[in-house]
Amino acid sequence: EVLLVESGGGLVQPGGSLRLSCAASGFTFSTSSMHWLRQAPGKGLESVSAINGNGDRTYYANSLKGRFTVSRDNSKNTLYLQMGSLRAEDMAIYYCARWYNYGSGSHGLDLWGQGTLVTVSS
Amino acid sequence: EIVMTQSPDTLSVSPGERATLSCRSSQSVGSNLAWYQQKPGQAPRLLIYDASTRATGIPARFSGSGSGTEFTLTISSLQSEDFAVYCCQQYGDWPFTFGPGTKVHTK
Repeated sequence: EVLLVESGGGLVQPGGSLRLSCAASGFTFSTSSMHWLRQAPGKGLESVSAINGNGDRTYYANSLKGRFTVSRDNSKNTLYLQMGSLRAEDMAIYYCARWYNYGSGSHGLDLWGQGTLVTVSS
Repeated sequence: EIVMTQSPDTLSVSPGERATLSCRSSQSVGSNLAWYQQKPGQAPRLLIYDASTRATGIPARFSGSGSGTEFTLTISSLQSEDFAVYCCQQYGDWPFTFGPGTKVHTK
């Protein structure tokens, strides 16, 4: 079964750190670009970060200002998001998603995990 | 950063009726536009990519059109399972950005 499963969310104090994981199965993870997105309660979706298949190209939302780091371990079929200096505005459901290449330059976020909730509060 | 807007915010539709949703980008994204459906408590689901191509398994009642800065998602005959929030996403430039969504609910 083609699946993404996030973990690592939870309650963290302002200024704290957290590492999210996204375990992939059922497809060739090492050739798939992957994204992290988030959705604050009652709000719309926001791109957080992206990484290509071999991990040598990464992208971040402008608002993150170096606080987050995306990485992947293709030997473990796992995507990571290291989050630091967390703020109240980082509180959200965090999703990982596959950036699928349909060919001829066509792409879409076709596979999503169920999300993991990050709560930032003292 | 490209700003995406959607209209209307909410849409009241009876089952079997047609729904037309709009999405605009603050600058041209070509055809690099996707539509997603999201139901409460669930992850988004890809409906349309490249502005008009249905993703795998998406029923033919969903169609997308447009290019440049103006896009439309049409649901030709709403089914009960279609009542949800629909959002557009541009991927013409990083950061990829999403519209705020249109909530389609039953009249």
